[in-house]
Amino acid sequence: ELKVEQNPLFLSMQEGKNYTIYCNYSTTSDRLYWYRQDPGKSLESLFVLLSNGAVKQEGRLMASLDTKARLSTLHITAAVHDLSATYFCAVADSSGTYKYIFGTGTRLKVLA
Amino acid sequence: DTAVSQTPKYLVTQMGNDKSIKCEQNLGHDTMYWYKQDSKKFLKIMFSYNNKELIINETVPNRFSPKSPDKAHLNLHINSLELGDSAVYFCASSPSGQAAFFGQGTRLTVV
Repeated sequence: ELKVEQNPLFLSMQEGKNYTIYCNYSTTSDRLYWYRQDPGKSLESLFVLLSNGAVKQEGRLMASLDTKARLSTLHITAAVHDLSATYFCAVADSSGTYKYIFGTGTRLKVLA
Repeated sequence: DTAVSQTPKYLVTQMGNDKSIKCEQNLGHDTMYWYKQDSKKFLKIMFSYNNKELIINETVPNRFSPKSPDKAHLNLHINSLELGDSAVYFCASSPSGQAAFFGQGTRLTVV
């Protein structure tokens, strides 16, 4: 059964600092997604990573995928307060059932 | 021009009642989902439909029954509501293999 773990669960960081969120998953998959959720809001798709070595960047966020290590990272560069949110990774089950298993989420708070 | 819309946004009801949540997507996607997000923000898939056919039915009490009258709609009916059903329920849709688009969520509170 596919399991997805994220760490850290909580992250408090100063503006201007860099940090990385990790997403590990337990079985083979070649599709991984990152989402952002603001408090009380819906989930917004950030990145879609479809192959080993894929790297995507948008503003201060960069996501990468290593399918051999079953690991994805979300790197935050020079954090700003607006990045405060909960970030989820989701991994597609490789059985073809269109099933996405979500990680535990990382609650990020960027302090001014 | 809302992509995935759910109604109602908030639902407060007593234990034992039956309630429904409706979901509609205007994106033309083949696949729709119901997810449950608990108070710790954990997201768990409940059901998935592909072209009106049920393809994922996770370990969910049979008090929960999804219905997809057509490809654009996926409703969730819950019988005999319990306190533990309190959560935020998200509907989502996706084209095959791509990122899912989520509705705004329905916050269900059972008292």
